[in-house]
Amino acid sequence: GQNIDQPTEMTATEGAIVQINCTYQTSGFNGLFWYQQHAGEAPTFLSYNVLDGLEEKGRFSSFLSRSKGYSYLLLKELQMKDSASYLCAVTNSNYQLIWGAGTKLIIKP
Amino acid sequence: GAVVSQHPSRVICKSGTSVKIECRSLDFQATTMFWYRQFPKKSLMLMATSNEGSKATYEQGVEKDKFLINHASLTLSTLTVTSAHPEDSSFYICSARTDRDYNEQFFGPGTRLTVL
Repeated sequence: GQNIDQPTEMTATEGAIVQINCTYQTSGFNGLFWYQQHAGEAPTFLSYNVLDGLEEKGRFSSFLSRSKGYSYLLLKELQMKDSASYLCAVTNSNYQLIWGAGTKLIIKP
Repeated sequence: GAVVSQHPSRVICKSGTSVKIECRSLDFQATTMFWYRQFPKKSLMLMATSNEGSKATYEQGVEKDKFLINHASLTLSTLTVTSAHPEDSSFYICSARTDRDYNEQFFGPGTRLTVL
């Protein structure tokens, strides 16, 4: 079967750094996405990794290890507006997006 | 660029009625569109994949006669929830993809359906 695991909920402090992990097992691999989703809204694109390594984009970075089936999203200098769910999704061999259940990130002042 | 719209954004209907949700790609041609459903605090669940001019491919467990999908043009796909029941209440999200990059999907803002 196809499976993506990520923590259900995490709490962090404003201004700090948080790392959200994602492990996956899918039928084939064509890339891994991280999306941000605020309650009642559609997901918005954050990052895309297809090669091993770290992709940095402002306060957000995403890392991928294909051999380990592992990725993480790193958020720096946390702001209150970063409170949201963060979804890990993998494109499989059929170019279907397989979604994790999402990690609800709670930012405290 | 790459904007996808959905209409309506919210709809409340009585049990037994049918509801149509439109998904439009505003500034690009979407050869493939996807329909997702999301229950509260749950992940997105792919319902079906539709290609312009052909029948939609439904995921296992999704009733094709209940969730009618039409992809009549390269910019419009519609999802009709027929004979809606309270258990169909959910957040429905569409996304669109071009032939140029199979990896990139552009999401609509979603439609909140409440069936009374």
